[in-house]
Amino acid sequence: EAGVAQSPRYKIIEKRQSVAFWCNPISGHATLYWYQQILGQGPKLLIQFQNNGVVDDSQLPKDRFSAERLKGVDSTLKIQPAKLEDSAVYLCASSLEGRSEGDEKLFFGSGTQLSVL
Amino acid sequence: QKEVEQDPGPLSVPEGAIVSLNCTYSNSAFQYFMWYRQYSRKGPELLMYTYSSGNKEDGRFTAQVDKSSKYISLFIRDSQPSDSATYLCASLNRDDKIIFGKGTRLHILP
Repeated sequence: EAGVAQSPRYKIIEKRQSVAFWCNPISGHATLYWYQQILGQGPKLLIQFQNNGVVDDSQLPKDRFSAERLKGVDSTLKIQPAKLEDSAVYLCASSLEGRSEGDEKLFFGSGTQLSVL
Repeated sequence: QKEVEQDPGPLSVPEGAIVSLNCTYSNSAFQYFMWYRQYSRKGPELLMYTYSSGNKEDGRFTAQVDKSSKYISLFIRDSQPSDSATYLCASLNRDDKIIFGKGTRLHILP
């Protein structure tokens, strides 16, 4: 079974530039998550999609971050304009249904490491 | 107070030793607890999960929850160099969102 695919693997940009990350979840997984992991911290949820609808984006800085999941499969996360504090690893994860009972397993991609200079 | 707290380490132990990793959580309503393992430059992967109090064993790994003290533990027996990674404890909060601790970096010395 193919895992969660993310690209690019690394990205270096200057502040105020824009950047986009791409995620392809495991086939058949309805729920897709974007997490931000700052060095030395645990992952923090940015946005959760169920199929192509947003379930939770309460921690997404909407003035600069946007995300979409067209056709309920692939997803892109964009930052415009980037700030120094956006330097982090951006992880995409997917799960089969995203039910809340707690028995859903999240499968993570390897992430995109973003450096903002 | 953060919802899930964890000592970041690093923790270095010799190969073959028993490793004890610990977390505390703040909300007594939390029922579901997880341990994720994250290798360098990789995403986290679910290692174990457990409901409520008690122990759960899987091979060399044992997860333990003590709800009276809001304490979560992961024990690794016969530790191997391949166990060197960052271990993240996590719990579901009131909104059924996974809250991660900062992670503990573990080094198993050959």
